[in-house]
Amino acid sequence: QVQLVQSGSELKKPGASVKVSCKASGYTFTTYAMTWVRQAPGQGLEWMGWINTNTGNPTFAQGFTGRFVFSLDTSVSTAYLQISSLKAEDTAVYYCARVRFYDSMWHFDSWGQGTLVTVSS
Amino acid sequence: SSELTQDPAVSVALGQTVRITCQGDSLRNYYATWYQQKPGQAPVLVIYGKNNRPSGIPDRFSGSNSGNTASLTITGAQAEDEADYYCNSRDRSGDLVVFGGGTKLTVL
Repeated sequence: QVQLVQSGSELKKPGASVKVSCKASGYTFTTYAMTWVRQAPGQGLEWMGWINTNTGNPTFAQGFTGRFVFSLDTSVSTAYLQISSLKAEDTAVYYCARVRFYDSMWHFDSWGQGTLVTVSS
Repeated sequence: SSELTQDPAVSVALGQTVRITCQGDSLRNYYATWYQQKPGQAPVLVIYGKNNRPSGIPDRFSGSNSGNTASLTITGAQAEDEADYYCNSRDRSGDLVVFGGGTKLTVL
């Protein structure tokens, strides 16, 4: 079955960087794009963007350019989210999810368990 | 504010029918997708496309679209349906994705 397993919680100081991993199994990794979604404490879901797992080409939502990097290691079916120059407002749970396309619309059919990133001095 | 608008909270009596709505200009051209999220858990896809349920999603969940409004209907709500529900669709440009603010469903 399809599984996305994310790396564990992180506690970082402001200004540091963090790299979250998302390991996929149960399907051919390069067939579907991978998306990232942020959820701040007590808040809703926020789409960050996605990465084409075939070409490595990323697309970012507004507000997620500059400090955010999506990358891949296709040899181990893993997608990564790296955030640099961390700020307190980056404190959130970050989810990866597999992207499918149907009826002219994308949907996210399998999700990782989420990774809590806490930014605090 | 989000390009997709949802009511923050909705309640329904056990066994009754509830409709959760999502409004936005892009919904005139594209379907909404619906996700269920329970506390401390990752979101789960419940409706995609015109009105499609992934395997394992009960048939009491259905989706529909009319004009700029998409709806998620739960026919015969159960206690386990109490959760946050999020819609998403394309943004105004049609090239990117946007989520609604979410609706907290309480089953009384």
